[in-house]
Amino acid sequence: DQQVKQNSPSLSVQEGRISILNCDYTNSMFDYFLWYKKYPAEGPTFLISISSIKDKNEDGRFTVFLNKSAKHLSLHIVPSQPGDSAVYFCAASEGGGATNKLIFGTGTLLAVQP
Amino acid sequence: ETGVTQTPRHLVMGMTNKKSLKCEQHLGHNAMYWYKQSAKKPLELMFVYNFKEQTENNSVPSRFSPECPNSSHLFLHLHTLQPEDSALYLCASSQDLTSGGTDTQYFGPGTRLTVL
Repeated sequence: DQQVKQNSPSLSVQEGRISILNCDYTNSMFDYFLWYKKYPAEGPTFLISISSIKDKNEDGRFTVFLNKSAKHLSLHIVPSQPGDSAVYFCAASEGGGATNKLIFGTGTLLAVQP
Repeated sequence: ETGVTQTPRHLVMGMTNKKSLKCEQHLGHNAMYWYKQSAKKPLELMFVYNFKEQTENNSVPSRFSPECPNSSHLFLHLHTLQPEDSALYLCASSQDLTSGGTDTQYFGPGTRLTVL
């Protein structure tokens, strides 16, 4: 059973508008969450993270929101740019774990239309 | 070279072949990881090494054999694979495992493996 779920395999947004990517998790022991971005033929690159002691973390155009009671997090990109078109992976870990083991979702393909 | 590099980028092998995947990181990190990504499935952790010692084997079949001769290099030796092992194999590195699991992992571009 998947512990981290990204239920939208794809999302299309107009340039300049907001992109909202969603992620749900089932393991209440997760206390650290990350978003990675992946372009074709490249490995995933770290984008932004959030600890479970926070409900929001912002970095430029990227903001991650965490709703612990709903076991839900989201990534907001505003304004969206064509260069943001990529696959976005949500990942979670038990921050106190000894192996830094990340559990990934299946990814959401974002297409930003010019 | 900078970051995390992987060779080869593409590999086609028969079920009776023996091959190796190589990963090298130029970030001064001490932890290295192998992940597998099959079609339509999430990235799945296979192995973790910290300061050359294996700290995680995520129930990986013995036909996959990792080797970490030093903190900069990680190998995945493959033998008698099955067609269902065809996938993208990704290597990652992070500073080390002493930061309580919040250590950012940096990924290589992956090796696309096809087993015939």
